[in-house]
Amino acid sequence: AQSVTQLDSQVPVFEEAPVELRCNYSSSVSVYLFWYVQYPNQGLQLLLKYLSGSTLVKGINGFEAEFNKSQTSFHLRKPSVHISDTAEYFCAVRGKTSGSRLTFGEGTQLTVNP
Amino acid sequence: DTGVSQDPRHKITKRGQNVTFRCDPISEHNRLYWYRQTLGQGPEFLTYFQNEAQLEKSRLLSDRFSAERPKGSFSTLEIQRTEQGDSAMYLCASTHAELVGEQYFGPGTRLTVT
Repeated sequence: AQSVTQLDSQVPVFEEAPVELRCNYSSSVSVYLFWYVQYPNQGLQLLLKYLSGSTLVKGINGFEAEFNKSQTSFHLRKPSVHISDTAEYFCAVRGKTSGSRLTFGEGTQLTVNP
Repeated sequence: DTGVSQDPRHKITKRGQNVTFRCDPISEHNRLYWYRQTLGQGPEFLTYFQNEAQLEKSRLLSDRFSAERPKGSFSTLEIQRTEQGDSAMYLCASTHAELVGEQYFGPGTRLTVT
């Protein structure tokens, strides 16, 4: 089984500031890792994913994340945020050999203020 | 590619009534997932299908819940004798077995049980 912990439930930042949303996971098997974004009253949209290879992955809208196996982390970063980045962000994990369900964290609400 | 669609988008029902939701996946996707998301939480896996076969069910899926995908295309999720605790957003996602990992989400059906 897998579990995901998102360490911050809310992150307020000012526009054009950098941001990091933290995610740690637990799993007894190797995993795939994902970040999804959810805008109000909408479904989830994939930001980026780590399957294998380079531990630094780049996604849409200028976001990137780094997989750290030793620390079991997959933190999401953006060097300069915009008002339009205000949304809920979810980290998710899927075991490579343990079925195809996604296990999500509880989410981090990113609020970008002018 | 029209994306994953769900119907209805909102449903208000009285406790004890039955409700049924529909999900239409992306046409070439053979895997279809149902998740439930309560306020302030991440999505929780309920069940998934590969083609018409239901391959996995969460223990969250009580006897009052049933899901079908009769022809391997659209799916329905039925909740019998609804309870107030069933109030949530019900999300559908689809993917192809060869697309490692990522799932494409629909906009969700928000259920309110009064």
